[in-house]
Amino acid sequence: DVKVTQSSRYLVKRTGEKVFLECVQDMDHENMFWYRQDPGLGLRLIYFSYDVKMKEKGDIPEGYSVSREKKERFSLILESASTNQTSMYLCASSQPLHSGETQYFGPGTRLLVL
Amino acid sequence: DAKTTQPNSMESNEEEPVHLPCNHSTISGTDYIHWYRQLPSQGPEYVIHGLTSNVNNRMASLAIAEDRKSSTLILHRATLRDAAVYYCILRDVDDSGNTPLVFGKGTRLSVIA
Repeated sequence: DVKVTQSSRYLVKRTGEKVFLECVQDMDHENMFWYRQDPGLGLRLIYFSYDVKMKEKGDIPEGYSVSREKKERFSLILESASTNQTSMYLCASSQPLHSGETQYFGPGTRLLVL
Repeated sequence: DAKTTQPNSMESNEEEPVHLPCNHSTISGTDYIHWYRQLPSQGPEYVIHGLTSNVNNRMASLAIAEDRKSSTLILHRATLRDAAVYYCILRDVDDSGNTPLVFGKGTRLSVIA
């Protein structure tokens, strides 16, 4: 079974802190994604990567950066956390999403910024 | 990707069938129809997908209208563990494969014991 793991299920940080959210997948997937999910807004794409050292902005990249130094690991970085970044963060991975490929999600990290 | 429309919420009794509708009137001939669901406090998970013909797997069935402008996800016997948000997503088979799935707001299914 594909496994996507995220470094923390719950995280509490203070405004202005630098925050790292780590995601690791064990199926040699080429694509990796970071979403955030907020009540009433659904899943919104922050960044994605289709290869090592490659990254693409999603719909809401402002205030975030990402790093993909190894194929299995995709990190989301909040350079200076703010209270409006309090959210559930979901990582996903997949092979190239032609017709029937599946996107696999991690369990999520619930981040609270005080 | 073409747009989908789903009801915000639905309710079902336990052990009864559930039909979750999805409208996609602007679907193109190369769009696959995917369904994912998100259980409480978990990430989304794949349920089923299809192109033109009806599809069955161990989780559900997918019924696709002949004109492909709508589809229905069928849970044959709802259980309490099926309570989740269900997402209907279109995916172009001609897409390069590097862009992610786009999730709408989905349908929140409640199952009553």
